[in-house]
Amino acid sequence: GAGVSQSPRYKVAKRGQDVALRCDPISGHVSLFWYQQALGQGPEFLTYFQNEAQLDKSGLPSDRFFAERPEGSVSTLKIQRTQQEDSAVYLCASSLVDNQYEQYFGPGTRLTVT
Amino acid sequence: ILNVEQSPQSLHVQEGDSTNFTCSFPSSNFYALHWYSWETAKSPEALFVMTLNGDEKKKGRISATLNTKEGYSYLYIKGSQPEDSATYLCALKETSGSRLTFGEGTQLTVNP
Repeated sequence: GAGVSQSPRYKVAKRGQDVALRCDPISGHVSLFWYQQALGQGPEFLTYFQNEAQLDKSGLPSDRFFAERPEGSVSTLKIQRTQQEDSAVYLCASSLVDNQYEQYFGPGTRLTVT
Repeated sequence: ILNVEQSPQSLHVQEGDSTNFTCSFPSSNFYALHWYSWETAKSPEALFVMTLNGDEKKKGRISATLNTKEGYSYLYIKGSQPEDSATYLCALKETSGSRLTFGEGTQLTVNP
């Protein structure tokens, strides 16, 4: 069975460019999470969806970050006007139902802003 | 700010050694403690979800214990193998909210 997939796996962007990172969760999973892992740190929460509803976006570091999940399955994390401090691994996770189940992670997208 | 701490930060052991690492967390508002192993270029893999004080879980040569009253969990690897080389992450879920709060991980290298 397919796990969580993310694309692209690697992205190099010039400072100021916009990027879009895609997450395909496990089919049927209701909850979807985005995390950011900076070098040498643990993953940090960015935002959470239950179906198409974005229930928590308190971890988004600035208004340059935007996430959507319009049909309750695939999600896109968009970063506008990228800055060097945005360089990180962006992880997506999905779970069957919030709170009761573990979160299954994708392999991440490594973003490098030059 | 919720503080989940892991120690040591990195560890080098020889094949066949047994090892353990620690995850400490604030014990108030505890809901669950997750352990993941993360090999380079792969997805973090779920090892255990622990919810009850005194829980002990085992998966092959890897086991974990949980003490929610004092706020710590131990992960043990018996007879380490080179394929165990990975970063081991613990993550706390609180009673409120859906997010996981991660520690910085313990990077384990097992030398053949």
